[in-house]
Amino acid sequence: DIQMTQSPSSLSASVGDRVTITCQASQDISKYLNWYQQKPGKAPKLLIYGASNVETRVPSRFSGGGSGTDFSLTISSLQPEDIATYYCQQYDNFPVTFGGGTKVEIK
Amino acid sequence: QVQLQESGPGLVKPSETLSLTCIVSGGSINNYYWSWIRQPPGKGLEWIGYTYYSGATNYNPSLKSRVTISVDTSNNQFSLRLSAVTAADTAVYYCARLPRYCSGGSCWGGYFDNWGQGTLVIVSS
Repeated sequence: DIQMTQSPSSLSASVGDRVTITCQASQDISKYLNWYQQKPGKAPKLLIYGASNVETRVPSRFSGGGSGTDFSLTISSLQPEDIATYYCQQYDNFPVTFGGGTKVEIK
Repeated sequence: QVQLQESGPGLVKPSETLSLTCIVSGGSINNYYWSWIRQPPGKGLEWIGYTYYSGATNYNPSLKSRVTISVDTSNNQFSLRLSAVTAADTAVYYCARLPRYCSGGSCWGGYFDNWGQGTLVIVSS
């Protein structure tokens, strides 16, 4: 199985800060990487697919980048409603696997 | 906007079979992949498997011997059966849709673009 390692596991930042979360794959997955946001008690929501494509109706402050084994999710200006856990997910190889998650909090 | 809704028992006894159904409304089940994902309380996400609308399936090897995912196109729904459950199978179970992605002559499900709200299944006697 391809292992997906996210860092940090949690972070605390101020409103308006630029926040970056990274995801590393245990082998080359090209651009087959997605990002999800999960708020407490809710289902995950797709933010980014194919490493850098922003899903419809997702705010423009969210962006994704990377290829191969190293990927990133950036929130350009953190908002209170962005408090959530973020997960990366690869679909290059079966089984589909997720990262362990990054919990984002407001300082 | 397509909507997905999971249904099924919230409590299952150890060694029995967990059965859940996902009803798809607001869109057709055709031409998509349909998946089950689970999340143990306080933990991360685990992909269980998916089915194409044609009935072709792909399962997580860690669960393959116990999992069956089936699709019912006439009723716009798909189902999960997980046999011989233990306490380790206690989780919130989500159903989700995946658009078909094709590259290099192969096609598979790419990303989970619509999710159900999830249903908590507890395995306990």
